[in-house]
Amino acid sequence: SQQGEEDPQALSIQEGENATMNCSYKTSINNLQWYRQNSGRGLVHLILIRSNEREKHSGRLRVTLDTSKKSSSLLITASRAADTASYFCATDAGNTGKLIFGQGTTLQVKP
Amino acid sequence: DAGITQSPRHKVTETGTPVTLRCHQTENHRYMYWYRQDPGHGLRLIHYSYGVKDTDKGEVSDGYSVSRSKTEDFLLTLESATSSQTSVYFCATNDRERQETQYFGPGTRLLVL
Repeated sequence: SQQGEEDPQALSIQEGENATMNCSYKTSINNLQWYRQNSGRGLVHLILIRSNEREKHSGRLRVTLDTSKKSSSLLITASRAADTASYFCATDAGNTGKLIFGQGTTLQVKP
Repeated sequence: DAGITQSPRHKVTETGTPVTLRCHQTENHRYMYWYRQDPGHGLRLIHYSYGVKDTDKGEVSDGYSVSRSKTEDFLLTLESATSSQTSVYFCATNDRERQETQYFGPGTRLLVL
């Protein structure tokens, strides 16, 4: 069963706008990660936030985590056409190293 | 990229035939994973390995087997391919003692007719 559920499934914005994607999960976690997948490619790690962190930044990326609501959001500021991709959240719930992925949000940034 | 290759990159096969996909890494990562990606399902874990000859099942392991005889290679075998195994298969690795992030290969597109 899916641990992470992402919302929205698809998002289309203009270049320069901000994009926000949300992820909800079901069980307690050690960390939550966000990955990007360009069309026809493998996933690339973007950012990891631990269960004791509430917010983390990396360049134009801002991730928040609310463990009480079991949810996370990924904000991409000042989007670019090159940000067009699918974005996945993944949770690490145990000590096995296994990640459980959400279904992803497809982001289209129009130039 | 963490030096992960997958072969073949594309394969068409017939129902009932065995198929083996190969994942090769040059990072000396201890952990390796096989996922399948299907529309509406995201990525689902098939099998994973936590060392040479140490493997375990994931979420969707039925119809698949794996082997890891060397640190750098992780093989996924479809024992008797079915049309429901048409998918894109991704291999991933990580070095959990140092970091939790996973590094992904480019994927293998498999079509079972």
